[in-house]
Formats: sequence, C-alpha cells, structure tokens
Amino acid sequence: NAGVTQTPKFQVLKTGQSMTLQCAQDMNHNSMYWYRQDPGMGLRLIYYSASEGTTDKGEVPNGYNVSRLNKREFSLRLESAAPSQTSVYFCASRATGVRGYTFGSGTRLTVV
Amino acid sequence: AQRVTQPEKLLSVFKGAPVELKCNYSYSGSPELFWYVQYSRQRLQLLLRHISRESIKGFTADLNKGETSFHLKKPFAQEEDSAMYYCALTNQAGTALIFGKGTTLSVSS
Repeated sequence: NAGVTQTPKFQVLKTGQSMTLQCAQDMNHNSMYWYRQDPGMGLRLIYYSASEGTTDKGEVPNGYNVSRLNKREFSLRLESAAPSQTSVYFCASRATGVRGYTFGSGTRLTVV
Repeated sequence: AQRVTQPEKLLSVFKGAPVELKCNYSYSGSPELFWYVQYSRQRLQLLLRHISRESIKGFTADLNKGETSFHLKKPFAQEEDSAMYYCALTNQAGTALIFGKGTTLSVSS
C-alpha cells in the first residue's frame, strides 16, 4: 500500500519554464490537496479537490493550476516558474468523514 | 478569521525534560484540532487529534476552549522526538486544514 506518491522528488527549473508535479493516491480517498512548505511560513494551501471533477483555490493559488484527472490523481502545474515558487510541495489526501490527512513525501522544487 | 498560532519557532530541551509546544487558535464554533510531526526531510504524519483524546509516543494535547489553546505536552523528552511539529485545525467549511507555522523541537543529551 503506497499511500500518497509524489513525483518527482527533486526538480530544478529555470525562471519561465513550466512543469507539472504529479500526485497519486491508492486509498480511494475523495479529497486531495496541494500545500507548499516554506521556512517560517508553515504549510499553506495552494489548491484542493473535494471530489473528482471539482477543484478550489486555497490560500496561495496564484501562479498555479491543478487538474483532478481522476479519483486517484491530482496534478499541480506551474506555467511560468518564478524564484518565489522555490519551495517544498506536499500533496495530501483524505477520506470522506475522516479529518486526518495522509501526506506524500514531497517535491523539493528550486527555481533559478 | 481562522488562524493557528505557534509562538515558538524553536524549542530546545534536554533529554528527560518536560516539553510543551504551544498552539493557540482563532475559530468560531467548535474546532477540530490536530498535531502533525515531520521528522527530518520526511513526510508529515498525524500525531494527535483532539477528538480522540489519545496519547501517541507519550505526547498528549488537551483542547482548552476558554484559552483557545491546544498545547502539546510530553513529560520526558527523548532525542528521537526532535522534529518539526505543526498544529492545525479544520477550516470553517470543513474542506481543508489550516496549519500553524510550526515549531522545531530539538532534544539534546
């Protein structure tokens, strides 16, 4: 049982490049989330998907887009990367009626 | 507004000393509160949730609605407790978790 799997684990981008962070869960969870983790800022919600086919903005959505491809997968796209998007990105999922989240191992992104 | 405040960025204690990681919150109504732990460069793991009133790895946390606090406590710290600790609450709509900025706990011998 893999839980929540994120790829890639590390990535270096040049300013202006685009990329997609992948997230997949095998627990049949309905809700999925993308957070970014920055020193001194904690975790901030970028986007979430309460169920397949729906997505909503979180606290810091600017510069990002998401796709809930199916119940298992929730991807995060940076269309034109900026140095301010250098961060560790965590995907998480949650089953309906359960309040605790299951987190992935993170993607460490550096934009130069 | 819903908010979680963890006033300490870093808490350093000696092995065997008591530990208290502070968490205060702002919320209208009855919040659902959690503590998550992140060991060095690993994923976040759920440590405690207030509705369970459980003790995990010797840690406990009590919800104090009068003081709007959910402090995490352990009577005797161990070196393996060194990690980043996040307090979090479910937002008003029940759709997402709001995290505090985290407290790094460092336990030395």
